[in-house]
Amino acid sequence: GENVEQHPSTLSVQEGDSAVIKCTYSDSASNYFPWYKQELGKRPQLIIDIRSNVGEKKDQRIAVTLNKTAKHFSLHITETQPEDSAVYFCAASKLTNFGNEKLTFGTGTRLTIIP
Amino acid sequence: DVKVTQSSRYLVKRTGEKVFLECVQDMDHENMFWYRQDPGLGLRLIYFSYDVKMKEKGDIPEGYSVSREKKERFSLILESASTNQTSMYLCASVPLWGYEQYFGPGTRLTVT
Repeated sequence: GENVEQHPSTLSVQEGDSAVIKCTYSDSASNYFPWYKQELGKRPQLIIDIRSNVGEKKDQRIAVTLNKTAKHFSLHITETQPEDSAVYFCAASKLTNFGNEKLTFGTGTRLTIIP
Repeated sequence: DVKVTQSSRYLVKRTGEKVFLECVQDMDHENMFWYRQDPGLGLRLIYFSYDVKMKEKGDIPEGYSVSREKKERFSLILESASTNQTSMYLCASVPLWGYEQYFGPGTRLTVT
């Protein structure tokens, strides 16, 4: 099955600096790579995703890059703000025969923004 | 606005008890999932269902079963709870051919 590794497990950055979280996956058939953000005590929420036919996607201060050959993808957050403090999960998936995406999640990165 | 609810936020059970965790979604989604979340291990898929009465094993199904008698409701059952099942349990739903997983608030289960 799919295996997703995520690094680092914890990350502290000064407010205004950039943060980068990296993930690698094992199954070359995976074609969908979402990122979820989980604030303390809350449920995970999708913040950005990318499909395998695209190399980069950007949404305001967050961006995701994908290198299919190397089987790794990364989340980039620029101009970090205190509200970016959370646990971030990457995931990889492929469409199942049942019409849904079966996600395999990474182990999470706890990002702390230092004011 | 998608709403996914779970029957309890906190639950304490004894070893050997049968435990039911319920998840309800109000958006007519076909797909529903049960995960457990443990520190350092991320979210791991226990079971998922793509239709009423249909279920598929995820990555860690041992010790769990599920039931989906109605489209909006997906139940996770621990037949005989053990201490290693102490965890946060998250339910999620997704529409057919959709991709975004809508999570419930989670149930923190403690087995003593």
